[in-house]
Amino acid sequence: NAGVTQTPKFRVLKTGQSMTLLCAQDMNHEYMYWYRQDPGMGLRLIHYSVGEGTTAKGEVPDGYNVSRLKKQNFLLGLESAAPSQTSVYFCASSTGGNTEAFFGQGTRLTVV
Amino acid sequence: GDSVTQMEGPVTLSEEAFLTINCTYTATGYPSLFWYVQYPGEGLQLLLKATKADDKGSNKGFEATYRKETTSFHLEKGSVQVSDSAVYFCALSDRGGGNKLTFGTGTQLKVEL
Repeated sequence: NAGVTQTPKFRVLKTGQSMTLLCAQDMNHEYMYWYRQDPGMGLRLIHYSVGEGTTAKGEVPDGYNVSRLKKQNFLLGLESAAPSQTSVYFCASSTGGNTEAFFGQGTRLTVV
Repeated sequence: GDSVTQMEGPVTLSEEAFLTINCTYTATGYPSLFWYVQYPGEGLQLLLKATKADDKGSNKGFEATYRKETTSFHLEKGSVQVSDSAVYFCALSDRGGGNKLTFGTGTQLKVEL
């Protein structure tokens, strides 16, 4: 049972380049999330989705876009990467309600 | 908005010592509360949760009680092991649209022999 899988695990970008992070879950969860983790700041929500075809902004959405074309996939895009986007990115999914969220292993992104 | 405050780390303990990591929250309504653990190089895993006031969550010797009157959810363990070394995150869920989690900043625990 794979759970939540993130691709890639590591990436180095130059300022201004674009990239897409892929999150895939095999648990048939309705809700999916993208968080970024920075030292001393915990995890902050970037965007989330409550179902296929829907997306919504979280706490720190600027500079990111997302898409949820299929229920099992949630894509996070950076159109023009900036050094401030250097971070570890985590995808998560849940069934909603009071249930736990399941997290992927993370993507470490460095923007130089 | 919702927020979670937890004690700053790092916390260094000897094996078999008692652990307390403090967590307090601010929220509208009645959130669910969670403790997640992150081992080095890994994602977050649920450690325990509580969904209403006075509920006690427990797992692997860790416990936390949902205290509505003090808006707290402190994590405790009676006897820590080296294998408990990790970063611990307190979080709340808004129960509303999106079931979004709000996290504290995390507390790093290091347990030494």
